[in-house]
Amino acid sequence: AQRVTQPEKLLSVFKGAPVELKCNYSYSGSPELFWYVQYSRQRLQLLLRHISRESIKGFTADLNKGETSFHLKKPFAQEEDSAMYYCAPPGQGNLIFGKGTKLSVKP
Amino acid sequence: KAGVTQTPRYLIKTRGQQVTLSCSPISGHRSVSWYQQTPGQGLQFLFEYFSETQRNKGNFPGRFSGRQFSNSRSEMNVSTLELGDSALYLCASNPQESYNEQFFGPGTRLTVL
Repeated sequence: AQRVTQPEKLLSVFKGAPVELKCNYSYSGSPELFWYVQYSRQRLQLLLRHISRESIKGFTADLNKGETSFHLKKPFAQEEDSAMYYCAPPGQGNLIFGKGTKLSVKP
Repeated sequence: KAGVTQTPRYLIKTRGQQVTLSCSPISGHRSVSWYQQTPGQGLQFLFEYFSETQRNKGNFPGRFSGRQFSNSRSEMNVSTLELGDSALYLCASNPQESYNEQFFGPGTRLTVL
């Protein structure tokens, strides 16, 4: 069964510091991984997908098949980045969400 | 296009009752998925419907059921409510037959007393 692990429940950094949100997955097929974000009082939304190789709001994520990881990175965190972040590989017609990491960016 | 809408937004029920939640997907989207979000378990997949057929199902008891109508609107029902069913229930729609980006609604907050 596909699984995803986000080892940190809470990550707290200061504004301007680099941030890395970890995600490890086990997936039997060719993985297509996503990062979703949920800002306070907003709906869950797609942040980025590995297949597009784009940078959204300064965030990037590289799929490392050898380490089965899909860590989310940003070189300089901003206060508005504070949110819940979920790593999600697809399952059978659904997303398999990790438990999420709460990112808190302090001024 | 209007986003995914869910009604009601908030609901309070007592143990043993049943509840029906509604979801209207983005126009043109034929796939609708339901998720349960709780602080302890995170986001868990309930089921997915495509063209009025349940295509996939998560590991939830039979008290949780759903359906989809010809206009792609979907409902989920929970019977014999338990305290542990208190959660945010999220609906997501997806435009294609195969998996793609999912667009989430604001959720229905269910509180079971």
